[in-house]
Amino acid sequence: QSALTQPPSASGSPGQSVTISCTGTSSDVGGYNYVSWYQQHPGKAPKFMIYEVTKRPSGVPDRFSGSKSGNTASLTVSGLQPEDEGYYYCSSYAGSNNVVFGGGTKLTVL
Amino acid sequence: QVQLQESGPGLVKPSETLSLTCSVSGYYISSGYYWGWIRQPPGKGLEWIGSMSHTKSTFYNPSLKSRVAISIDTSKNQLSLKLSSVTAADTATYFCAKGHTANYYNFEYWGQGALVTVSS
Repeated sequence: QSALTQPPSASGSPGQSVTISCTGTSSDVGGYNYVSWYQQHPGKAPKFMIYEVTKRPSGVPDRFSGSKSGNTASLTVSGLQPEDEGYYYCSSYAGSNNVVFGGGTKLTVL
Repeated sequence: QVQLQESGPGLVKPSETLSLTCSVSGYYISSGYYWGWIRQPPGKGLEWIGSMSHTKSTFYNPSLKSRVAISIDTSKNQLSLKLSSVTAADTATYFCAKGHTANYYNFEYWGQGALVTVSS
C-alpha cells in the first residue's frame, strides 16, 4: 500500500480539464511544500512535471498546474491532449529523511 | 543533455545481493545535485530507495535502510546500488535519476530502467 493515496483512474475528453488528487497526512503532503508530480507512459521512465507543489520544470507545458490544500495536493491538466494519456504519480517529502510516492492514477483521454 | 543508463544482472537469486550501476553522461556527478534510485514492481507504483549527493551525503528509505548501500564513483561518473538479502518482493524495474535543485525530493532526469527479477 502506497503512502500517498491517488484515485486509480481519471478521464476527460480532448480540450477538457481533469484534476488528479493526492492525499497524504500532516506528516508529508500537509507538512511540507515539497510535492512533485511525474507522468509515465507504459514502458517508459517517469517524466518530471511539477515540483514544490506549483512549479513547472523547463519544457513542461503550462497546461499542467499543481496546487495543495491541507493534506491533499492536486494536479490539473487543462486542454487535454491525446499525448497526456498515461500514469501520473505524486510524491512528497515525508520528514525524517524520507520520500513517499502515491500509487499512481491512470489518465485516459476519451 | 543529461542521460542516465542502468546496467546489471537481470536475474538475482533469493538471499543474494542485487547490484546495479548507473552511467551518467552529459553532466559530471562531482559537479553537484543529488543522485537517486527509485524502483517500480511490475504493474505497481514507484518507491524511493535512496539518494546520495556529490559530497556523499546519503539518505535511505527507512524501510530499506538496513539492506541498501548507494555509492558514487566520480572517476567513472557512475552511481551504484547494492541491495542485500533480496526476496521476490524486490523484483522490480530499478531507475536511477538526477535530482532537481539542491534537495533529494525531486528527480529531473531518469534512466530507462533495469528490470531485476529475484528468482531461484
